[in-house]
Amino acid sequence: QVQLQESGPGLVKPSETLSLICSVSGGSFSSHYWSWIRQPAGKGLEWIGQIDTSGSTNNNPSLKGRVTMSVDTSKSQISLKLSSVTAADTAVYFCARGKNWFDPWGQGTLVTVSS
Amino acid sequence: DIQMTQSPSTLSASVGDRVTITCRASQSISSWLAWYQQKPGKAPKFLIYKASSLESGVPSRFSGSGSGTEFTLTISSLQPDDFATYYCQQYNDYPWTFGQGTKVEIK
Repeated sequence: QVQLQESGPGLVKPSETLSLICSVSGGSFSSHYWSWIRQPAGKGLEWIGQIDTSGSTNNNPSLKGRVTMSVDTSKSQISLKLSSVTAADTAVYFCARGKNWFDPWGQGTLVTVSS
Repeated sequence: DIQMTQSPSTLSASVGDRVTITCRASQSISSWLAWYQQKPGKAPKFLIYKASSLESGVPSRFSGSGSGTEFTLTISSLQPDDFATYYCQQYNDYPWTFGQGTKVEIK
């Protein structure tokens, strides 16, 4: 079945750009939406945004235009860039398949924003 | 944004108990609601879509109901594997939003 794996730096300095990749294997990549969701330690889930395999995106306005997502269909990967990060962006970042609901999810990757 | 509010925040229950979690939306979301289960250190697991449709492979002791602004997730007979945190999520209007979670603890 389809599996998702997030990867990227675990530590990012304040004001810099967080960059993550989600690699998809074991199933169809095309014709799906792929989403990013994050979860600060001990807190709830926040939807960041989503992209389909044509590159069409929907983002959460709460992130004030800091989000850029892209898709590489040749590699079955999606990427997330979050600019001008602060400590408030410290969280576990998940990628997941789906437009309206999310299934399955990657295991998540912890990103800490600290100097 | 549509605010999703779950109650209670924490629920203490015993194996075999019937458990009900409530999720309220700040405005009508029709039946565009999903439920997830999350265990510590793990990604959420998708349970229910369209308020009451059970995802394939999810045990039938889980059920969802509701429409408009009030929804419930019910576990008919709590099993040891069910102790976890549960989240609702609306997909009626962007941005998609989640409830704050309900932790089901062992009594």
